[in-house]
Amino acid sequence: QQQVKQSPQSLIVQKGGISIINCAYENTAFDYFPWYQQFPGKGPALLIAIRPDVSEKKEGRFTISFNKSAKQFSLHIMDSQPGDSATYFCAAVKAAGNKLTFGGGTRVLVKP
Amino acid sequence: SQTIHQWPATLVQPVGSPLSLECTVEGTSNPNLYWYRQAAGRGLQLLFYSVGIGQISSEVPQNLSASRPQDRQFILSSKKLLLSDSGFYLCAWSVTADTQYFGPGTRLTVL
Repeated sequence: QQQVKQSPQSLIVQKGGISIINCAYENTAFDYFPWYQQFPGKGPALLIAIRPDVSEKKEGRFTISFNKSAKQFSLHIMDSQPGDSATYFCAAVKAAGNKLTFGGGTRVLVKP
Repeated sequence: SQTIHQWPATLVQPVGSPLSLECTVEGTSNPNLYWYRQAAGRGLQLLFYSVGIGQISSEVPQNLSASRPQDRQFILSSKKLLLSDSGFYLCAWSVTADTQYFGPGTRLTVL
């Protein structure tokens, strides 16, 4: 059972455009939602994260929007750059848990 | 600062051969340790995790096993590799559950 569903699987955006990736979860025990960025041949790295007590978090060009009632959260990449081309994974963690539940990943390609 | 190492970086092995991948973490004590596998173009599959020496939890029944002989060492093994074991193997560590830090990965090709 996939507890975190991520869409789309792939995304092509022009330089300067907005990339939007969506995730939905089922388990209300999740209380921390990180996003990881993975470049080809490298391990994923934490990009940005949010807790459900806030509806939005922004770090530079990256913004997480969180809708607790809908059990959905999304990543927006503003002014997308070719260097943002990577695979992005959303994830969720349960309170007092020790495992991340990952979404299936979204491959983003930013065309110059 | 904390660092995580994995070796080898790449490995090509014949079907039926044994496997040993090693992961070590520096700069922290008693971390949680994780092994993930990533098939080409696919997501992250958690294979094993460990909260302490000798404590291993298996997430997916399969041809692999894990061991944690020391606090900051995590080993992934197989007695006989299958073609389906090919993939990108990632080790990760965490102190709190919130954030996991991934290693550089091992690319395994089974022929």
